[in-house]
Amino acid sequence: NAGVTQTPKFQVLKTGQSMTLQCAQDMNHEYMSWYRQDPGMGLRLIHYSVGAGITDQGEVPNGYNVSRSTTEDFPLRLLSAAPSQTSVYFCASSPPLGSSSYEQYFGPGTRLTVT
Amino acid sequence: EDQVTQSPEALRLQEGESSSLNCSYTVSGLRGLFWYRQDPGKGPEFLFTLYSAGEEKEKERLKATLTKKESFLHITAPKPEDSATYLCAVQNQAGTALIFGKGTTLSVSS
Repeated sequence: NAGVTQTPKFQVLKTGQSMTLQCAQDMNHEYMSWYRQDPGMGLRLIHYSVGAGITDQGEVPNGYNVSRSTTEDFPLRLLSAAPSQTSVYFCASSPPLGSSSYEQYFGPGTRLTVT
Repeated sequence: EDQVTQSPEALRLQEGESSSLNCSYTVSGLRGLFWYRQDPGKGPEFLFTLYSAGEEKEKERLKATLTKKESFLHITAPKPEDSATYLCAVQNQAGTALIFGKGTTLSVSS
């Protein structure tokens, strides 16, 4: 089990560029989510998905898009990068609600800098 | 509004000096309270889930407890390898997200 994997680990973008952060899990988890972590702000939810084909917005969704075509993958797209999107991005997955345990497992993160 | 507050922000201990980290929360129906450990440059690592007041869980030198308003992470006889940021999060009954505190950064010196 690789758990939750994220690529790339590091990325530098110029303002206005677009890119996709990749996230995959091999635990057959239905629930997946994206967080950003900024100094002094803690982890904040961007988007989440409760299963293939179903996504919804979290606390800070502006400037980001997601889709969920398979159970395993949950990519995060930055449409037009801005310096305010400089952050560390974490993907997480967990079993569905109603399971005996539903703790979220996190990937190693993608460190994004927008200049 | 669901909210999590962790204290202190930073804690410095000598090896063997036991202490506790606090996580106060307000939530519209608690589904679960989670403790994570995060090392620099890495993703949060799951430690414990607590579901109801009075529940306790232990792992090595760590013990987590839960009341209706707060949770404590007790660290007994810490070692330098326990140095990390400890994150607390709650999940409400809607269960769609974790609400995180800002964390407590623990430094243990030998």
